[in-house]
Amino acid sequence: AQSVTQPDIHITVSEGASLELRCNYSYGATPYLFWYVQSPGQGLQLLLKYFSGDTLVQGIKGFEAEFKRSQSSFNLRKPSVHWSDAAEYFCAVAFNAGGTSYGKLTFGQGTILTVHP
Amino acid sequence: KAGVTQTPRYLIKTRGQQVTLSCSPISGHRSVSWYQQTPGQGLQFLFEYFSETQRNKGNFPGRFSGRQFSNSRSEMNVSTLELGDSALYLCASSLGTGGPRETQYFGPGTRLLVL
Repeated sequence: AQSVTQPDIHITVSEGASLELRCNYSYGATPYLFWYVQSPGQGLQLLLKYFSGDTLVQGIKGFEAEFKRSQSSFNLRKPSVHWSDAAEYFCAVAFNAGGTSYGKLTFGQGTILTVHP
Repeated sequence: KAGVTQTPRYLIKTRGQQVTLSCSPISGHRSVSWYQQTPGQGLQFLFEYFSETQRNKGNFPGRFSGRQFSNSRSEMNVSTLELGDSALYLCASSLGTGGPRETQYFGPGTRLLVL
């Protein structure tokens, strides 16, 4: 079955430190990959997405992600975290499976990021 | 462009009641997807509508239903509410013609509490 895993439920980093959030998917082909961020009480905001081509994609707010086909991973990174980055981050995947894929994103369980001053 | 709007933002109901939530997509978007977010189950896909037709459906009981109007606005209805229906309900809109690679834009959600 198609699935998305975010192994880290909660990550704490110090402001200014680097960040990497992990995402792995299970699927027979290359899916379409997204990272969203959710602040408390808010909806989801798209950070970046990957469909094909260059495996390193740049997003908003200084985030980037790298697609590694051999590891079925799409990890999110940021070189220097700001206190305002504290939020919950979701990796999402759209599988190209015909009618059953219309409008459907499959989400990981999310990673809560805490930033210490 | 205005973003996706959802009304109401907060709702309190009692078990057995029914509820209707509304979603207005970004202008020009014809696809609306609905998701349920709970601490235990995370974000789960409910259904998707395009041009007033349900194109896809998640694994939820028949108490959860939806519809879409000619102006692309969508409503979802939950009948015979259960305590476990307490959740944040998110809708997302997209153009609807680009397949699974399309970006979905999310609204702020409706927080439903069932007592």
